Amino acid sequence: AQTVTQSQPEMSVQEAETVTLSCTYDTSENNYYLFWYKQPPSRQMILVIRQEAYKQQNATENRFSVNFQKAAKSFSLKISDSQLGDTAMYFCAYTDGGATNKLIFGTGTLLAVQP
Amino acid sequence: DVKVTQSSRYLVKRTGEKVFLECVQDMDHENMFWYRQDPGLGLRLIYFSYDVKMKEKGDIPEGYSVSREKKERFSLILESASTNQTSMYLCASSPGQGGANTEAFFGQGTRLTVV
Repeated sequence: AQTVTQSQPEMSVQEAETVTLSCTYDTSENNYYLFWYKQPPSRQMILVIRQEAYKQQNATENRFSVNFQKAAKSFSLKISDSQLGDTAMYFCAYTDGGATNKLIFGTGTLLAVQP
Repeated sequence: DVKVTQSSRYLVKRTGEKVFLECVQDMDHENMFWYRQDPGLGLRLIYFSYDVKMKEKGDIPEGYSVSREKKERFSLILESASTNQTSMYLCASSPGQGGANTEAFFGQGTRLTVV
């Protein structure tokens, strides 16, 4: 069965600094999709960034980028120039992209950006 | 914009009551999901549905059932609420084509307290 592991329950970073959140996963599939979702205090889950496993190039979205290591089954999120609004719970998620798109989540990392 | 709407943001119910949590999406998505979110445990899949009247158990289906009579609506039912079902419940939907269309969209969550 596929699993997603986030080993950092909480992290803290100073405003304007860079922080990296870790995620590892386990799957026997060759083609799949990985996501980072953000859940701010408002509770609304928002997609931050997406990576297709068949793409070697790491995805980037403005200040957010990933380091996708397929062989190591690692998918970390880097946030550059951290802002106070980045304070949130961050979830790593996996789907094999089949017809049901069943989405499996990690346990989350609570990120606090300090002024 | 995709909209996933959950019927209640906060709900308080008594032990033994039958509880209905409703979720409606407006993007004609095939897939709909119910997750439970607890601190330190991340999001755990309760049930999902990939078509009208179709449902599959997730990782923690015990004590829950679901109904999908119409494509846009997916209901979670607690047959006899218990205090250990006090939690945050998140509904999500996604397109069913797989491939690049694997992003899930979430409702705002229902915080259920069973007393």
